Amino acid sequence: EAQVTQNPRYLITVTGKKLTVTCSQNMNHEYMSWYRQDPGLGLRQIYYSMNVEVTDKGDVPEGYKVSRKEKRNFPLILESPSPNQTSLYFCASSFEAGSSYEQYFGPGTRLTVT
Amino acid sequence: QKEVEQDPGPLSVPEGAIVSLNCTYSNSAFQYFMWYRQYSRKGPELLMYTYSSGNKEDGRFTAQVDKSSKYISLFIRDSQPSDSATYLCAMTPYSSASKIIFGSGTRLSIRP
Repeated sequence: EAQVTQNPRYLITVTGKKLTVTCSQNMNHEYMSWYRQDPGLGLRQIYYSMNVEVTDKGDVPEGYKVSRKEKRNFPLILESPSPNQTSLYFCASSFEAGSSYEQYFGPGTRLTVT
Repeated sequence: QKEVEQDPGPLSVPEGAIVSLNCTYSNSAFQYFMWYRQYSRKGPELLMYTYSSGNKEDGRFTAQVDKSSKYISLFIRDSQPSDSATYLCAMTPYSSASKIIFGSGTRLSIRP
C-alpha cells in the first residue's frame, strides 16, 4: 500500500527547543516536499527535494531546515521553534513521468509551540 | 495580491447538483494545474492534474483550464454527500514536482 508516514502526529513544545518531524515514503518517489497549513492561508510549501541531496526553498522556508540523505526519508527540522510556527504540517511525495503524475500526502503533524 | 485566489465558501448544494469550483491566478508562467480534496483532519488527496489549457475528465470530475483568462475550474457532476470536503487548487510553472502554489481552499457541503 502506497504510504507517507509522519511522526509525531501531535507535538506540543516550548520556544527554542529543537525538534524534528520525520517523513518516510514507501513508493520510491524521487520528489518530496513539506507544507504547512494555516486557517485562511491554505497550504504553503516550506521546502522540496527533487532527489537525494537535492533540496530547494519553497514559499516559507524561514526557520526550517531539511535534509535528504536517503530517498525514502525527508525530515523537517526546527532548530529554534517559535510560536508563529504553530501549524499543521504535511509531508508529500510525488512521481512524474510525461503526462502521468501521482502524489501522496502524509496524515499531518499538528505542532504547537508555546 | 495573492498569486492564486480561491473563494473560501462555504458552498452548500443539494445532492445530485453540479458543483463548480474556481480559482484565478496572476502568474502567466503557471503551466501545471492540480485539484485536491481534503477531508477534515486528513491530508490532501490529489484529484486532477492537467497541463496547460483544456479540459480533463475523470469519472464525475472535470477539470478545466483557461490560460487566456487565468482561470481554472473543477466541476463535480451528480454530487454526493461523500464529496463534502475542502477543495484546494494548486499550480506550478515548471514541473509539478517543484515549487507549487496553493489556493486557500473552498469548503463544500452536499446536503442529502
